[in-house]
Amino acid sequence: DAKTTQPPSMDCAEGRAANLPCNHSTISGNEYVYWYRQIHSQGPQYIIHGLKNNETNEMASLIITEDRKSSTLILPHATLRDTAVYYCIVTGGGNKLTFGTGTQLKVEL
Amino acid sequence: EAGVAQSPRYKIIEKRQSVAFWCNPISGHATLYWYQQILGQGPKLLIQFQNNGVVDDSQLPKDRFSAERLKGVDSTLKIQPAKLEDSAVYLCASSLMAGGTAGYGYTFGSGTRLTVV
Repeated sequence: DAKTTQPPSMDCAEGRAANLPCNHSTISGNEYVYWYRQIHSQGPQYIIHGLKNNETNEMASLIITEDRKSSTLILPHATLRDTAVYYCIVTGGGNKLTFGTGTQLKVEL
Repeated sequence: EAGVAQSPRYKIIEKRQSVAFWCNPISGHATLYWYQQILGQGPKLLIQFQNNGVVDDSQLPKDRFSAERLKGVDSTLKIQPAKLEDSAVYLCASSLMAGGTAGYGYTFGSGTRLTVV
């Protein structure tokens, strides 16, 4: 699986958009980009995933660059409950999820 | 749908004792995973089951850790004997298909926090 690089921490004001970047320059053609988050004392929670196209669901949007070497997770209106560690994971078919240390997002008033 | 159930929620044991964790995955999920998460780190995969067969246990310390998934449903993870460095949260996850591809993401339980003293 391709390696990912994320900033260790980010801050965001409540109500504003949170944009979490992820670099995955060695991603191969059949590898998906997955985002999970982990709220304190809970297990990781699936957010969204994509292959090439941008994706949107009720939780977030995923923007993948045309060369697929980086992506951005967007939480359009962050709330205090979005404070969590966000993991960007790249994996191909049949492979398991390998977690890095993620980005600690802190949403503040 | 019901989530992934894990028990116990917390466990404190002395080193060299044994401990077991239980996981009940989401009904119909063929793939089950056990992860170990040490404080400040991301989860690390210990073992992956497909139905009741082991797919990957390359990172399981087999001299002290064991896991089974009888009848392809519930699973138990055992540590015997425990060491101080085993203190961690043990997370169970399940997915409909291996690898979580094609939209079948993993669903995690809340984990068991183990403290070895």
